[in-house]
Amino acid sequence: NAGVTQTPKFQVLKTGQSMTLQCAQDMNHNSMYWYRQDPGMGLRLIYYSASEGTTDKGEVPNGYNVSRLNKREFSLRLESAAPSQTSVYFCASSEARLPPRNEQFFGPGTRLTVL
Amino acid sequence: KNQVEQSPQSLIILEGKNCTLQCNYTVSPFSNLRWYKQDTGRGPVSLTIMTFSENTKSNGRYTATLDADTKQSSLHITASQLSDSASYICVVNDNDMRFGAGTRLTVKP
Repeated sequence: NAGVTQTPKFQVLKTGQSMTLQCAQDMNHNSMYWYRQDPGMGLRLIYYSASEGTTDKGEVPNGYNVSRLNKREFSLRLESAAPSQTSVYFCASSEARLPPRNEQFFGPGTRLTVL
Repeated sequence: KNQVEQSPQSLIILEGKNCTLQCNYTVSPFSNLRWYKQDTGRGPVSLTIMTFSENTKSNGRYTATLDADTKQSSLHITASQLSDSASYICVVNDNDMRFGAGTRLTVKP
């Protein structure tokens, strides 16, 4: 089992460019999440998908869109990248959205730099 | 203001020494509190989980404590090893995961 995988590992964009971050999990989890991690701050939730076919905004959704392609895959799209979106992005998954089965398992992260 | 505050921000100790990391939170009520370990360049991995009614949980050399009255948790690491060098993140779970900013621990030989 690979757990949660993310591609790419690193990416450099110019301001205004677009890109999609890919995430897949092989644990048959229902819920998936996208976070960003910035220095000195806790992980902040961008979007989540409680179950296949649903997506909801998190704490910092502006400038991002998501697609829950199927139960395994959840992608994050930046339509017009800005320097403020320079960050490390983590995808996570959990069996369920709410406790007690909501332990989240994280991918290795994507380090994104926007120039 | 973050609902989960961790201290210290960073800590350097010598191999073999013990250390304690602190987490203060305002989230209430909550279902559980977790400590995650995040190695450099990796995603966080869960170390311990405690429910509201538990006050201690161990995982090898890691022992977490919870005082729900004072809204404090701590993570104690015994006989530190070089591989303990990482960030340790406190997460309080109501219906959302509330993440602290983490403590960066460096263990030196």
